[in-house]
Amino acid sequence: KNEVEQSPQNLTAQEGEFITINCSYSVGISALHWLQQHPGGGIVSLFMLSSGKKKHGRLIATINIQEKHSSLHITASHPRDSAVYICAVRGSNYKLTFGKGTLLTVNP
Amino acid sequence: DTAVSQTPKYLVTQMGNDKSIKCEQNLGHDTMYWYKQDSKKFLKIMFSYNNKELIINETVPNRFSPKSPDKAHLNLHINSLELGDSAVYFCASSQGDRVNYGYTFGSGTRLTVV
Repeated sequence: KNEVEQSPQNLTAQEGEFITINCSYSVGISALHWLQQHPGGGIVSLFMLSSGKKKHGRLIATINIQEKHSSLHITASHPRDSAVYICAVRGSNYKLTFGKGTLLTVNP
Repeated sequence: DTAVSQTPKYLVTQMGNDKSIKCEQNLGHDTMYWYKQDSKKFLKIMFSYNNKELIINETVPNRFSPKSPDKAHLNLHINSLELGDSAVYFCASSQGDRVNYGYTFGSGTRLTVV
């Protein structure tokens, strides 16, 4: 079992819908990251969280340390949000452990 | 532009060859990483250097050897390439162990071994 589990694996939505992607982890962490990988392949860091909630534009990320769970929300989704969203956790060392990603497709 | 730069972007080579991938960052970060993304898009840490010192070395075949001439560069040399080495390799950097700092990724090197 992977230390970082994401759900769903695949998600298809209509433009304008509210999107939620979930991440659960089984190890102690110092921080959790949400990353975005577009079809072109580049990886962009969206958020880094160690507690609470962060918001950037239409994206919101939350984390519950006690429950070892994080969610990434996208409000008013748009086709340009189509990408793979990857959850990664950082332990006590420098290492990131990744989830397998969620492929989001937003149709116009 | 401040960034993590990898070269080459694409690399096609024959089995048995030796090749290198270069990575440079001008962000002033002191920690650099190599990650491998397999055909199923799963990312996994390979190596990490902090101020030119190796701090993470996952179970990677010893055909892979990282080299960090200074804290702005982390190159990856691969000997005797095998078909299974085909993947996308990402370089990344961060500001050491400060939890409040994120990671910056390079654009990836797609290695195809034929």
